[in-house]
Amino acid sequence: GQNIDQPTEMTATEGAIVQINCTYQTSGFNGLFWYQQHAGEAPTFLSYNVLDGLEEKGRFSSFLSRSKGYSYLLLKELQMKDSASYLCAALDSNYQLIWGAGTKLIIKP
Amino acid sequence: IAGITQAPTSQILAAGRRMTLRCTQDMRHNAMYWYRQDLGLGLRLIHYSNTAGTTGKGEVPDGYSVSRANTDDFPLTLASAVPSQTSVYFCASSDSGTGELFFGEGSRLTVL
Repeated sequence: GQNIDQPTEMTATEGAIVQINCTYQTSGFNGLFWYQQHAGEAPTFLSYNVLDGLEEKGRFSSFLSRSKGYSYLLLKELQMKDSASYLCAALDSNYQLIWGAGTKLIIKP
Repeated sequence: IAGITQAPTSQILAAGRRMTLRCTQDMRHNAMYWYRQDLGLGLRLIHYSNTAGTTGKGEVPDGYSVSRANTDDFPLTLASAVPSQTSVYFCASSDSGTGELFFGEGSRLTVL
């Protein structure tokens, strides 16, 4: 079966760095997405990786290892507004997105 | 630019009633999707449409139907609502079907 695993909840301190991990098992693979979702709001796109390696975009970076079926989202210089759920999703061979349940990130002052 | 508009934003519905959730996009995207989001579960695809005039079933299609008469509109209908359909429903679109998804603000549906 197809599956995405990510931690349910994480806590971090304002100004610190946090890494949110995601492992995936899919029928074929056409890329890995990260979305941010604030409570009561719609998900918004953060990043897309299809090749191995690190993609940096400001305070956020996303890493992919296709051989390990593994990705992480790295958030630096955490701000209170980064408190949100972070959704990992893999694109399978049929170009359908398989979604993880999301990681709720709590930022403490 | 509105992006994707969903209506209603919230609705309480008696079991057995028919309900249509509306979704309109102004980005001229070919692909559109309906997801439901429940606590502790990932987004689950209900139905999708790769282009106007075509639709397909997702992971959880039972009890739902869709139509895609034109590029902009993608309504989701619950023919006879049941309490297990209580959820937050998100409509989304993408330009190519393989890229970034743009989501509507969601419709919170409660079936009693």
